Amino acid sequence: NAGVTQTPKFQVLKTGQSMTLQCAQDMNHEYMSWYRQDPGMGLRLIHYSVGAGITDQGEVPNGYNVSRSTTEDFPLRLLSAAPSQTSVYFCASSYTSTGNTEAFFGQGTRLTVV
Amino acid sequence: AQSVTQPDIHITVSEGASLELRCNYSYGATPYLFWYVQSPGQGLQLLLKYFSGDTLVQGIKGFEAEFKRSQSSFNLRKPSVHWSDAAEYFCAVSSMEYGNKLVFGAGTILRVKS
Repeated sequence: NAGVTQTPKFQVLKTGQSMTLQCAQDMNHEYMSWYRQDPGMGLRLIHYSVGAGITDQGEVPNGYNVSRSTTEDFPLRLLSAAPSQTSVYFCASSYTSTGNTEAFFGQGTRLTVV
Repeated sequence: AQSVTQPDIHITVSEGASLELRCNYSYGATPYLFWYVQSPGQGLQLLLKYFSGDTLVQGIKGFEAEFKRSQSSFNLRKPSVHWSDAAEYFCAVSSMEYGNKLVFGAGTILRVKS
């Protein structure tokens, strides 16, 4: 069972570069989300999607874009990388968006912006 | 705004000793409560969840948690800690009143002494 797959696992960017973090799930989950994890701050929600074609902002959306053209994929785009975006990024999916369902997490992407 | 507080950043216990990790939340009338565990370099794994019903819930790996509405708490417990329990633990909450977004605490790092 693949579950939630994130690529790449590690990435180093220069300030100002753009890139896309990939996230795919094979569980036919309706709800997908992106978090960033920083020491002492837990996981903070960047963007989320309740279904194909529907996305919305989370707590820390600035500097990131998302789209959801299929149920399976939910890529996160960094438009112009900044050192403040150095973090570990997690993609998650759940069966529904009703809140009372388990979220399944990918293994994370460790991003360093220099 | 909704928030989740894990008062202890680090906890060290001896192998075989009991463990309690604290979690307090400020949320709506119907919180959905979760505990996740993260081993170094890994994604998050669900330990247990509370949606409704019996306020004492059992999870994987011998963990349990008790929901106390009057104290807005959902503390995680284990009667006898094993060295393999060393990890970071996150409490998370969602609620219909706040759009069902999953909000995480800052995490508690557990160290186990042999």
